[in-house]
Amino acid sequence: GAVVSQHPSWVICKSGTSVKIECRSLDFQATTMFWYRQFPKQSLMLMATSNEGSKATYEQGVEKDKFLINHASLTLSTLTVTSAHPEDSSFYICSASTGGNTEAFFGQGTRLTVV
Amino acid sequence: AQTVTQSQPEMSVQEAETVTLSCTYDTSESDYYLFWYKQPPSRQMILVIRQEAYKQQNATENRFSVNFQKAAKSFSLKISDSQLGDAAMYFCAYRRAPNKIIFGKGTRLHILP
Repeated sequence: GAVVSQHPSWVICKSGTSVKIECRSLDFQATTMFWYRQFPKQSLMLMATSNEGSKATYEQGVEKDKFLINHASLTLSTLTVTSAHPEDSSFYICSASTGGNTEAFFGQGTRLTVV
Repeated sequence: AQTVTQSQPEMSVQEAETVTLSCTYDTSESDYYLFWYKQPPSRQMILVIRQEAYKQQNATENRFSVNFQKAAKSFSLKISDSQLGDAAMYFCAYRRAPNKIIFGKGTRLHILP
């Protein structure tokens, strides 16, 4: 199957700093990438959808200035959490697909802890 | 708006037995995909099986099969010969272009040795 690599797997940062998470499709071109947040024992909450070369579409309630998403190429998307606060601590997951009604392939996830 | 409902927060099954996880969805579309994803303790999301709505034949992948009832908007997952490695959170998901994938709340499956 297709491989999506997400980096880092975990990160600890100080409150007020920014942290960047990368999501790469290793063996296919991802026209669409999704970013999710997952709280413990809960489902995935879609934060935004990004299409290569276009601005990301954010879900209602997600602050676009706080969660910056860039999808500059067909194999790379980044999520930057700006001015992180402890309440931003969570598990973030990216997924990538070739668009249409096909399945999405997921990265390993990033556990972010803001101290 | 489309919704996906998984009514069983948790289920348990004896090893080697068969278990069925339920999923219903709501949509007014006729062309879409349905998926079951597995999330083990590692939290890596793994695609288990997919079903194209235009196909009447139920999808199967080894020990995993679905019962797709389009008119009833039902999409259940059957796991045969359950193994300890099947213990995970299972998410039912719906996708219709443009692109957004909608997940259910999940069902946690326990395998009893």
